[in-house]
Amino acid sequence: DTGVSQDPRHKITKRGQNVTFRCDPISEHNRLYWYRQTLGQGPEFLTYFQNEAQLEKSRLLSDRFSAERPKGSFSTLEIQRTEQGDSAMYLCASSLEGIAGGRNGIFGQGTRLTVV
Amino acid sequence: SQQGEEDPQALSIQEGENATMNCSYKTSINNLQWYRQNSGRGLVHLILIRSNEREKHSGRLRVTLDTSKKSSSLLITASRAADTASYFCATDAGAAGNKLTFGGGTRVLVKP
Repeated sequence: DTGVSQDPRHKITKRGQNVTFRCDPISEHNRLYWYRQTLGQGPEFLTYFQNEAQLEKSRLLSDRFSAERPKGSFSTLEIQRTEQGDSAMYLCASSLEGIAGGRNGIFGQGTRLTVV
Repeated sequence: SQQGEEDPQALSIQEGENATMNCSYKTSINNLQWYRQNSGRGLVHLILIRSNEREKHSGRLRVTLDTSKKSSSLLITASRAADTASYFCATDAGAAGNKLTFGGGTRVLVKP
């Protein structure tokens, strides 16, 4: 297990299109987090899962965003009807317990989305 | 919303000098963490300091925490060109293990 994998690394899409990102966490980690980071800013929390249950969603996660973790392993983040304001880096992290535990919170390399 | 504010927003130093950056936050916390991010890459965890700790060291890193002032500092000693990155503080303020709230970051440039 080489860490948290995100796919794709880069995505360019036209406004109005739907996009889906995938995150494969470290296999034994039961928690999975999605963050969004715009240029020059720190990451902002979007949502997190414990196993397959989505336990918290940020107000940033509008109804155009949906995240799933169907079998408690990989997760997908879908954005429908993309807008230029959705352009950002989408980061996934996993941890064995809460990410606030620190050392066991591992971030992926992110998916950079550009909406044109 | 971002819990932390970092100061300075950008820092340029020569190799071998020390780099100090500060983080202020708003609510009570369980712990505070520092992360590094190279341009366009993911976040790398550097160090965690708990709310009942005042100072912590890890290699060339030294972190302090003052809960009365709701502030923390990260010192990188004897900086290297490879330390060029953005540095973020992140706080855990909620129920144990829920999520981290990040600051806006300090962009550090170490010139060789």
